[in-house]
Amino acid sequence: GAVVSQHPSRVICKSGTSVKIECRSLDFQATTMFWYRQFPKQSLMLMATSNEGSKATYEQGVEKDKFLINHASLTLSTLTVTSAHPEDSSFYICSARGGREAYEQYFGPGTRLTVT
Amino acid sequence: AQSVAQPEDQVNVAEGNPLTVKCTYSVSGNPYLFWYVQYPNRGLQFLLKYITGDNLVKGSYGFEAEFNKSQTSFHLKKPSALVSDSALYFCAVRDGGNTPLVFGKGTRLSVIA
Repeated sequence: GAVVSQHPSRVICKSGTSVKIECRSLDFQATTMFWYRQFPKQSLMLMATSNEGSKATYEQGVEKDKFLINHASLTLSTLTVTSAHPEDSSFYICSARGGREAYEQYFGPGTRLTVT
Repeated sequence: AQSVAQPEDQVNVAEGNPLTVKCTYSVSGNPYLFWYVQYPNRGLQFLLKYITGDNLVKGSYGFEAEFNKSQTSFHLKKPSALVSDSALYFCAVRDGGNTPLVFGKGTRLSVIA
């Protein structure tokens, strides 16, 4: 149980376009979802926290107009990178909390975004 | 605010030898502590956690970790390293509230045959 999926696993897009990444909790209701970003050979940096039906809370330094997060249901959150630039290229990992173990945070497999 | 320190960027160990990956933490309340492993271009795999109870926690793939409250540490250990253990290891912490996990910078473990 407690599986989190992400789609797509890899995406390449041209500079200036927008990309949407989906995060789904497959077998539990995710009351809270988190989006992390990981640069090569670096740690995971928390970008934002979202609760179902509420606006996301962004960490300091993260542009909320560039990284649009929607948590419309208890099983789906989306991250849209708008007007992508090469410096947005990164590994994006979502995480979800909910289910039987309220303190557990379950991680998706990640999405590799490359902006050319 | 919570934080995690992993003082070593890289740990090298010979296959069959014991390994230790260090982690210290800082939280305002009771710590919830986790270890994850990451293989290249993959997501995080959960290894073990400490929430409460015994200070020695046993997890997946023969790994264990010891919670030391006085030293605010949660070092990851394994009695006998395998080459397949070579990966990036992350320590993470959150306090008892509804806060997200905060990660250390990661330690790259290299097990040499």
